[in-house]
Amino acid sequence: SAVISQKPSRDICQRGTSLTIQCQVDSQVTMMFWYRQQPGQSLTLIATANQGSEATYESGFVIDKFPISRPNLTFSTLTVSNMSPEDSSIYLCSVRGGQLGTQYFGPGTRLLVL
Amino acid sequence: SQKIEQNSEALNIQEGKTATLTCNYTNYSPAYLQWYRQDPGRGPVFLLLIRENEKEKRKERLKVTFDTTLKQSLFHITASQPADSATYLCARFTSGTYKYIFGTGTRLKVLA
Repeated sequence: SAVISQKPSRDICQRGTSLTIQCQVDSQVTMMFWYRQQPGQSLTLIATANQGSEATYESGFVIDKFPISRPNLTFSTLTVSNMSPEDSSIYLCSVRGGQLGTQYFGPGTRLLVL
Repeated sequence: SQKIEQNSEALNIQEGKTATLTCNYTNYSPAYLQWYRQDPGRGPVFLLLIRENEKEKRKERLKVTFDTTLKQSLFHITASQPADSATYLCARFTSGTYKYIFGTGTRLKVLA
């Protein structure tokens, strides 16, 4: 299993500002994943971040809005840019492990945009 | 498109009873299904995985079944305890895209 930490755990932000969320893993991993979980909704994959290459974004998510960095094999950041109240959500960092790629999740970052 | 559906209504049961949660999927059977537990303010935690060719998998008080005819997985918690209260998520793995699709989860509350 992997131990994942995220910073900040929660934040309240003003409309139009940006927030960068950090994700740290206790082991080296090739792929890191960023999810969004809106109230009452399922987890939605935002993007997959590979070290040394551009992140791959899912339909409906764009790099200008959610830029991602992956400077090494244990760390990644997700920025939520030009925030609006619709961005209020829990953002989760995740990695895969084990034979069948079980997903391990960080504790999440709870974001409220006013 | 591939979907995962879970009963969004909360499930309340009495302590000691067996809780049964349902996960239905559409289109072709996934290679495997996974069940996760999520507590408020925390990320999901992996519980069990069941492969397409397995009918049942057990782990302590947990049991998962996989019915490819009904396109359904059932998750059972026997001798339930208040500490089992949480939201339980079902996820399918799509071998073509190597991605997980999660259900919305079912909130379970075990009453003492």
